[in-house]
Amino acid sequence: GAVVSQHPSRVICKSGTSVKIECRSLDFQATTMFWYRQFPKQSLMLMATSNEGSKATYEQGVEKDKFLINHASLTLSTLTVTSAHPEDSSFYICSAGTGWDGETQYFGPGTRLLVL
Amino acid sequence: KQEVTQIPAALSVPEGENLVLNCSFTDSAIYNLQWFRQDPGKGLTSLLLIQSSQREQTSGRLNASLDKSSGRSTLYIAASQPGDSATYLCAVKPTSGTYKYIFGTGTRLKVLA
Repeated sequence: GAVVSQHPSRVICKSGTSVKIECRSLDFQATTMFWYRQFPKQSLMLMATSNEGSKATYEQGVEKDKFLINHASLTLSTLTVTSAHPEDSSFYICSAGTGWDGETQYFGPGTRLLVL
Repeated sequence: KQEVTQIPAALSVPEGENLVLNCSFTDSAIYNLQWFRQDPGKGLTSLLLIQSSQREQTSGRLNASLDKSSGRSTLYIAASQPGDSATYLCAVKPTSGTYKYIFGTGTRLKVLA
């Protein structure tokens, strides 16, 4: 079956530093990747959608200069949280989509970010 | 704007009970609906995916139904076990816009031994 990995699974960093999270589709090519964020006891909220080789589309209220998304290949997308602050502490989950416009999606295991 | 609601928010049952989790959505224009399981601090495990043209899907002790016209889906768990304890999320994929999922807030299930 289709497998999506995320690295790291957990990261703790100091306020003001930048953190990069990788999302990889291991055995398939993903035309579209989606990045979600989940705060404690809340549901997943889509942050942005990215297609390989093009700029990401951000959801309303998500700062594109703070959450940098790179989708350089069909198997790798990265999310960089720049100048992280404690309020950015959250669970970040990616999904990799295949088919036209990413219609079939497979979710990664998530990355827990804690900013001190 | 599509909104997804799950009731109840939390549920605690003794082992062996059959139970029903509810999901409702406000816009029936969906591509599919998917039920996920999330263990604490973990990612999502897809349980069942129902296409908009389907009425139900079954996998083992799980059965999910979809009534698109009324904007409802139910997840039925038969003979619950302590290992079923987790948060169950339902998500819909609208037909308009990008193929993003809109998630409900989840039902936290605890099955007592």
